[in-house]
Amino acid sequence: DAGVTQSPTHLIKTRGQQVTLRCSPKSGHDTVSWYQQALGQGPQFIFQYYEEEERQRGNFPDRFSGHQFPNYSSELNVNALLLGDSALYLCASSLAGSDRGKTQYFGPGTRLLVL
Amino acid sequence: AQSVTQLGSHVSVSEGALVLLRCNYSSSVPPYLFWYVQYPNQGLQLLLKYTSAATLVKGINGFEAEFKKSETSFHLTKPSAHMSDAAEYFCAVSASFGANSKLTFGKGITLSVRP
Repeated sequence: DAGVTQSPTHLIKTRGQQVTLRCSPKSGHDTVSWYQQALGQGPQFIFQYYEEEERQRGNFPDRFSGHQFPNYSSELNVNALLLGDSALYLCASSLAGSDRGKTQYFGPGTRLLVL
Repeated sequence: AQSVTQLGSHVSVSEGALVLLRCNYSSSVPPYLFWYVQYPNQGLQLLLKYTSAATLVKGINGFEAEFKKSETSFHLTKPSAHMSDAAEYFCAVSASFGANSKLTFGKGITLSVRP
């Protein structure tokens, strides 16, 4: 049973560039959430996708956008990168409905460095 | 609104000693509570969760936690620390209703285990 996978594992960009991160959920899951984890901090919720729509959003600017595909995989896009966007980006998947929907399983993350 | 407070950023114990990592939460609705562990350069692994069933929850690797509503706490314990327990530990809270709910994390506690 494949867990949550993310690509790429590492990425280096320069200020002002755009980046796309990818996530495939755990088999059988239909909901994907994205989190940003700055160095030495706990993860911060960016947004959540279910049925190809953004369902919840954290306190992140519009430069952060996403997409969910019919196969439940998801992308996170960040435009006009800032130095402060350097972080570990974590994808988590879950199954909507019932108590199981409250348990999120995380991928290994994509480490983004903005120079 | 929900929040988590993890007291202390670093806990050091001797191998074989009791591990106690503290977590206090604030939630305007009945919460679900989670402990995750993060090893260096990895994603988050679910240790255990409280979803309104038994208040004493047992997880993987010998860890357990007790939900105490009167104290708004969900402290993580392990009777005997092992060197392999050295990692970052995060407590998280979510709402108990709704199809899906975002996780709000604490800042994390680094656990060191001395030989």
